Amino acid sequence: DVKVTQSSRYLVKRTGEKVFLECVQDMDHENMFWYRQDPGLGLRLIYFSYDVKMKEKGDIPEGYSVSREKKERFSLILESASTNQTSMYLCASSLEQKETQYFGPGTRLLVL
Amino acid sequence: GQNIDQPTEMTATEGAIVQINCTYQTSGFNGLFWYQQHAGEAPTFLSYNVLDGLEEKGRFSSFLSRSKGYSYLLLKELQMKDSASYLCAVMEYGNKLVFGAGTILRVKS
Repeated sequence: DVKVTQSSRYLVKRTGEKVFLECVQDMDHENMFWYRQDPGLGLRLIYFSYDVKMKEKGDIPEGYSVSREKKERFSLILESASTNQTSMYLCASSLEQKETQYFGPGTRLLVL
Repeated sequence: GQNIDQPTEMTATEGAIVQINCTYQTSGFNGLFWYQQHAGEAPTFLSYNVLDGLEEKGRFSSFLSRSKGYSYLLLKELQMKDSASYLCAVMEYGNKLVFGAGTILRVKS
């Protein structure tokens, strides 16, 4: 079974803080993704990566950056957290680009 | 532009059949996925359609018509545990998944 884990289930941060969200997958998947999920908007792609040290912008990259130093780990960074970044953040991975994405449990981030 | 529409909420009775529709207009098409998401949990994969027609998997079936930009997820013999959000997602050219807002299904006894 594919396992995707995220470092925290819940986080509370203050405006202006730097926030790190970690995601690890244990199935040697090439592709990893970061989404945010907001009521009424569905999942929206922030960034994705097809290989180590490689990153591509998704639909809403503003205010975020990512890091992929190892194949199994994909980090999402909020350089200076803002209240409009309060959301559920979901990480996913897939073996091939066209294949099924497997999701982690999500991190619910509250920015005060 | 990209647009995926599905009903916001549906309610059905235990033991019944329910059909959740999804219409899409996207930049290219490389397949359509359905995911199930229970409250507070990760989305889990249900089905994938890339060719027209019906794919059956136990109590769940998914249908695709590419010419109409239309899919549905059919759930038979509904159980209380089927209460969840159902997400329709289209893989566009460039292999990006675009999600609809999801349909909250409530199963009542």
